[in-house]
Amino acid sequence: DAKTTQPPSMDCAEGRAANLPCNHSTISGNEYVYWYRQIHSQGPQYIIHGLKNNETNEMASLIITEDRKSSTLILPHATLRDTAVYYCIVSGGTSYGKLTFGQGTILTVHP
Amino acid sequence: GAVVSQHPSWVICKSGTSVKIECRSLDFQATTMFWYRQFPKQSLMLMATSNEGSKATYEQGVEKDKFLINHASLTLSTLTVTSAHPEDSSFYICSAGLAGIRYNEQFFGPGTRLTVL
Repeated sequence: DAKTTQPPSMDCAEGRAANLPCNHSTISGNEYVYWYRQIHSQGPQYIIHGLKNNETNEMASLIITEDRKSSTLILPHATLRDTAVYYCIVSGGTSYGKLTFGQGTILTVHP
Repeated sequence: GAVVSQHPSWVICKSGTSVKIECRSLDFQATTMFWYRQFPKQSLMLMATSNEGSKATYEQGVEKDKFLINHASLTLSTLTVTSAHPEDSSFYICSAGLAGIRYNEQFFGPGTRLTVL
């Protein structure tokens, strides 16, 4: 699977949009971009995934650049409960369902 | 949505004993389950992939005789840490993949914190 690069930490004010970037310059054509988050001492939670089109669900939006080498997860109105480690994962093709977690981005939402 | 449970949520055991952790998919059938380990302030590391009715596939460096995985049904996988030692103390997390649908979309359990004294 292609590797991803994320900033180690970010801050966001409550109520504002949180934009979390991810670089995946070696992504191949059949690999998806997945976002998960992990709140302290809990199992990861699926947020969203996409192939090449932008995606939106009740939790977040995913913007993937046209060349697919990077993406941005957007939490439109961050709350204190969104404080977590956010993982950007590229997976697909011959990975047989495996998800390889990097170090992720620690997002801290402050009042 | 798809729910995965783990039992127990935490366990403390003496060195040399074996500990079994259960992972259940509550409202769907999971042909594949995954076991991860997470040390403090580190990311999740995949230990093994478990397919129902067949032997688990272990990642490089994971001792299959120490971490026994059984996936006897489409809703249950178990991880047994045999002859546990203090260095096995960790947060163990399982996940389940929806059969036949978006294979890489995994649903994670809440985790089991193992402390070996």
